[in-house]
Amino acid sequence: GQSLEQPSEVTAVEGAIVQINCTYQTSGFYGLSWYQQHDGGAPTFLSYNALDGLEETGRFSSFLSRSDSYGYLLLQELQMKDSASYFCAVRRADKLIFGTGTRLQVFP
Amino acid sequence: DAGVIQSPRHEVTEMGQEVTLRCKPISGHDYLFWYRQTMMRGLELLIYFNNNVPIDDSGMPEDRFSAKMPNASFSTLKIQPSEPRDSAVYFCASSSTGPRTNEQFFGPGTRLTVL
Repeated sequence: GQSLEQPSEVTAVEGAIVQINCTYQTSGFYGLSWYQQHDGGAPTFLSYNALDGLEETGRFSSFLSRSDSYGYLLLQELQMKDSASYFCAVRRADKLIFGTGTRLQVFP
Repeated sequence: DAGVIQSPRHEVTEMGQEVTLRCKPISGHDYLFWYRQTMMRGLELLIYFNNNVPIDDSGMPEDRFSAKMPNASFSTLKIQPSEPRDSAVYFCASSSTGPRTNEQFFGPGTRLTVL
């Protein structure tokens, strides 16, 4: 079988740094993706890690450790607009298996 | 590019009725995915196509659900007969092989309510 675990909710204040963890169990693992979804909106792609290490894209970074079946999304210099749900997703061949999502609330 | 287009954006129907959801992927994309999102079950992959051919339909809940992709620019997801438990947001997404193959582009979704 397969499973992904991530915290259900995280809160932080503007300007802070927050880390959203994701652990997974799956066979046929290709890589780990992160998507952002605002309320009422569609998921949008943030990052993808196929190899161990850190990938940085502006204020957002994503990390993967294949040996630990673990990854995280790091959001820096938080802004109010970052309030959204964040999903990790395991890539198995051509398809994605999504986690249950982490709701991030950013307070002023 | 217009992005992935879905119609209708909202659909309210009564139990037992047939529902057809439509999707136009981004031009040039060769993968198309249908997802369903609910609070209870999260974002679930229902079926995906590659070059218009269904590759994996293991996520389709039951025989009441069917999907087709008659050409590279159009796909449908049909529910017949619909039931209240089918109420959800249905997303279509597309992607391409090549440099951005790991990125799926989602449409705005169809919010389905079955009464």
